[in-house]
Amino acid sequence: DVKVTQSSRYLVKRTGEKVFLECVQDMDHENMFWYRQDPGLGLRLIYFSYDVKMKEKGDIPEGYSVSREKKERFSLILESASTNQTSMYLCASSRPGSDWSSYEQYFGPGTRLTVT
Amino acid sequence: GQSLEQPSEVTAVEGAIVQINCTYQTSGFYGLSWYQQHDGGAPTFLSYNALDGLEETGRFSSFLSRSDSYGYLLLQELQMKDSASYFCAVRNSGAGSYQLTFGKGTKLSVIP
Repeated sequence: DVKVTQSSRYLVKRTGEKVFLECVQDMDHENMFWYRQDPGLGLRLIYFSYDVKMKEKGDIPEGYSVSREKKERFSLILESASTNQTSMYLCASSRPGSDWSSYEQYFGPGTRLTVT
Repeated sequence: GQSLEQPSEVTAVEGAIVQINCTYQTSGFYGLSWYQQHDGGAPTFLSYNALDGLEETGRFSSFLSRSDSYGYLLLQELQMKDSASYFCAVRNSGAGSYQLTFGKGTKLSVIP
């Protein structure tokens, strides 16, 4: 059974703290993604990675950074958390390719982050 | 850039048929996919259309018209468990680009 896991379901941090969100997949997927989900805004891409040590900015990268040192692990870093980063964070992975399988992203359960 | 439009909410009766529409504007187009997300759950992949026409998977079907930049998800014989949010998504153009752009989602409520 394919699986994407995230380090925490719920997290509460203070403004200015450095926050690490971890994501691990066991499907040997090359592509990994970080999204944030807010009511009425859908899923917005923060960063993605198509290979180890490779990363590309998504639509809303400001205030975030990422790290991919191993194929199975993709970390999202909030360098200095702010209240407007309170959100649900979802990690996903997918295979590369030009067929339908590259459209299928597998999502983790999400981390609900509250910054106070 | 990419943008997708879908209704924010739809309500339908158990046993009925419901259609969720999605229109998109993209600089390049590789295909349209649909995801389902139950409250508190993770999005899960439902379907993918690269070519015009209807793709059927059990009670769910997805349609694409590339000339109209339009697609829809059709849910038949609605069940209470179909109450969820449904997202359409397009893949960005460009070689090696695997990122998806999602619509804002349609919340489907199935009522008895």
